[in-house]
Amino acid sequence: GAVVSQHPSWVICKSGTSVKIECRSLDFQATTMFWYRQFPKQSLMLMATSNEGSKATYEQGVEKDKFLINHASLTLSTLTVTSAHPEDSSFYICSASSGEVGNEQFFGPGTRLTVL
Amino acid sequence: LAKTTQPISMDSYEGQEVNITCSHNNIATNDYITWYQQFPSQGPRFIIQGYKTKVTNEVASLFIPADRKSSTLSLPRVSLSDTAVYYCLVGGGNTDKLIFGTGTRLQVFP
Repeated sequence: GAVVSQHPSWVICKSGTSVKIECRSLDFQATTMFWYRQFPKQSLMLMATSNEGSKATYEQGVEKDKFLINHASLTLSTLTVTSAHPEDSSFYICSASSGEVGNEQFFGPGTRLTVL
Repeated sequence: LAKTTQPISMDSYEGQEVNITCSHNNIATNDYITWYQQFPSQGPRFIIQGYKTKVTNEVASLFIPADRKSSTLSLPRVSLSDTAVYYCLVGGGNTDKLIFGTGTRLQVFP
């Protein structure tokens, strides 16, 4: 089956620093990738949708200048949390789709971000 | 986007069949119904997807009535390892964004 990886799997950083999270589709080309955030005991919250070669579409309430998304190739999307603060600590999950109607989205294993 | 409603939690015992029903009254004509499973600190894992009637794979069955306003995920003979959160989502193909609801937290007891 299709595999999506994320790197790093966990990261700890100091407040005010920026952190980049990578999402890769390993065995298929992903025309669209999605970024989610999940707080403990809560559901996944969609942050943004990114299509290869174009600007990401952010969900209402998500600061696009704080959460920079780049989808430069059909197998890689990155999420950069800029000037991270403790309230940004969360579990970040990406998903990818190949663009075939009816096919499921494939989710990455997630990245645990802890901001001190 | 169609909103989904499912029970917050369910309990079961090993070896039993578990049925989780999801309501999606506003499902659109081109929407598919997809179920995911999530373990703590892991990304969701695809279980099954359907459009209408019944779909079965090696791990589950999905029952969809003719009006498609609800769906039921059936897990045969659950084991302790099936303890997880199960999400029902509807969307028009995989390029359409998925909005996760609360999910159903299934607890399987020995």
